[in-house]
Parts: sequence; C-alpha cells; structure tokens
Amino acid sequence: EDKVVQSPLSLVVHEGDTVTLNCSYEVTNFRSLLWYKQEKKAPTFLFMLTSSGIEKKSGRLSSILDKKELFSILNITATQTGDSAVYLCAPESGSGNTGKLIFGQGTTLQVKP
Amino acid sequence: DTEVTQTPKHLVMGMTNKKSLKCEQHMGHRAMYWYKQKAKKPPELMFVYSYEKLSINESVPSRFSPECPNSSLLNLHLHALQPEDSALYLCASSQSYGTGDTEAFFGQGTRLTVV
Repeated sequence: EDKVVQSPLSLVVHEGDTVTLNCSYEVTNFRSLLWYKQEKKAPTFLFMLTSSGIEKKSGRLSSILDKKELFSILNITATQTGDSAVYLCAPESGSGNTGKLIFGQGTTLQVKP
Repeated sequence: DTEVTQTPKHLVMGMTNKKSLKCEQHMGHRAMYWYKQKAKKPPELMFVYSYEKLSINESVPSRFSPECPNSSLLNLHLHALQPEDSALYLCASSQSYGTGDTEAFFGQGTRLTVV
C-alpha cells in the first residue's frame, strides 16, 4: 500500500526563522515528487523533483529528493508571515500515459510576526 | 494561461438533487483529475482522465459520475449525494506523461454542501 508521511504535522515559528519540512514515501511505480503550498483553497505548485541529490530553489524555498532513502525535504529560510500555510508533499505514482499524486497529510506552518 | 477554472465556487444541494461541477483548462494538458478534500485533510484522488479516457477510478461511489467531453473540459455529475459528501472538490490538470513536465495545476475548487 502506498504511504506518504510528513513531519512535523504542525510547526510554529517566528519571522526570520528557517524551517525544514520532511516527507518520506513508499509508492509503487514512483515517477516524481511534488511539493504544494495550500492556503485557503487550491494547492499551488512549488517544486517537482525527479532526480536524487539535485536541489531545486525558488527564492527562499528549496527542496531536494533522496530516491535511495525515499524522502524529500523542503527548506524555507527567513520565513515570513505569508509563508503560513499547509505544505503538501505528493509523490507521483504512474505508468504509461497515466498516473496519480498521493498526498501526505501535510505540515501546517504558522509564522508569527 | 496557467489557469484551471472551476465552477461553481460554492454549491448547496439537497440529497435528491442532480448537479454538475465543471472544470476547464486551456493549457493543452491531456491529463485531468478530480480530488475530494475534507477539512484539515489532504486531497484524495477520485478520478483521472488521460487523453479523454477514464484511466483511474479510486473506487468512487456511483453517485459521482465523471465526464470528459473534450480535452479542455472535465465534469463531475452528482446525484443522490449524502451529507458526508460535503467537501472541497478540486480539479487539476497536467501535461501528458513522459514529457518530464507533469506538475499538476489545481483549480480553486468547488465548496460543496449537501443538506
């Protein structure tokens, strides 16, 4: 059975802090791993990782994948109150022309001023 | 245009009603999805359409009936729903697989309440 575990489940920090969010997974026919940020409604795409050891960066956010140990981390440096959201990790399982994202339960991040 | 548009944004329906949720994208994506999300839970996959054909049905009850009239549109027909079906219904789309460009873009969702 496919499994995605995110930790911590929730986190409260102050502006300027650095946070590391963790995602471990066991999925069949793994293709890639995606990170999303969800505030009120739609999850918004952050990163897609397909190769081990290659860090992806976007501003203060970065992420890396370890396909041998089956985990990924999402780092946020110099956090701001606007980073408060639920961060979802979603490995993609698929074959041929179809596949699906399997979401973890999310990490709820609250950044206090 | 990197937008997935869902209508309506909110829907309240009785248990005997028939209604439809609509989703549209114009990014040329060939995979489209329906997810259901309950409060404080992650999205759960319901259906996947790939090249306008249903490729994954995650054992969803038949009171939910998906339809993909063309490559840009995805509908979810609802009939005889139960109050526990109340949730946020999210549509997503992604480029066809094998191109290395498979990130899924989500619509803003339809907040469904069954009374």
